[in-house]
Amino acid sequence: EAGVAQSPRYKIIEKRQSVAFWCNPISGHATLYWYQQILGQGPKLLIQFQNNGVVDDSQLPKDRFSAERLKGVDSTLKIQPAKLEDSAVYLCASRRPGLGTGELFFGEGSRLTVL
Amino acid sequence: SQQGEEDPQALSIQEGENATMNCSYKTSINNLQWYRQNSGRGLVHLILIRSNEREKHSGRLRVTLDTSKKSSSLLITASRAADTASYFCATASPNAGNNRKLIWGLGTSLAVNP
Repeated sequence: EAGVAQSPRYKIIEKRQSVAFWCNPISGHATLYWYQQILGQGPKLLIQFQNNGVVDDSQLPKDRFSAERLKGVDSTLKIQPAKLEDSAVYLCASRRPGLGTGELFFGEGSRLTVL
Repeated sequence: SQQGEEDPQALSIQEGENATMNCSYKTSINNLQWYRQNSGRGLVHLILIRSNEREKHSGRLRVTLDTSKKSSSLLITASRAADTASYFCATASPNAGNNRKLIWGLGTSLAVNP
């Protein structure tokens, strides 16, 4: 089966500019996650979707970050305006349907550098 | 928020040696998972151990869980240069259904020297 697809792999922008990341999860995976991973740290959950509904966005900086998953398949994460501290890798992950928290499947990530 | 704390933060060993990494956590869990992340890549799931299990094996990996001490260890036997990566533990809370969260540690950076 195809893995989680993310694009772009790398993006360099200046502060106050905007950026968007795209994720296509594994087919049939109802749960989709966006994580932020700063160098040397573990992943930090930004938002979790179940189909096209938001389950958890408690750590999403909503004044500048937004995410959507309109048809319950692929998802977009946007940052506007970007700050220097947003430099990180943005990881998308998906999980098979069912209750509980089993194995997550991750994409390769989108590395953002804000200058 | 980070729950897991991996120990050590960094580990350097020779090929063929065993590598042991530890993870401690603070609250009760439903399961604990270990993931590997190669430099510049996404995370890959290695193994999941449930709260009612004490030990689990997968190939060269052995994971133990001690819920009384709120700790887990990951042992990689006969390490290879290809095992060089960061290793993360993630704990799943006991909350039911889709609200069950995964909380991640800071990771252990493993270098296996040929």
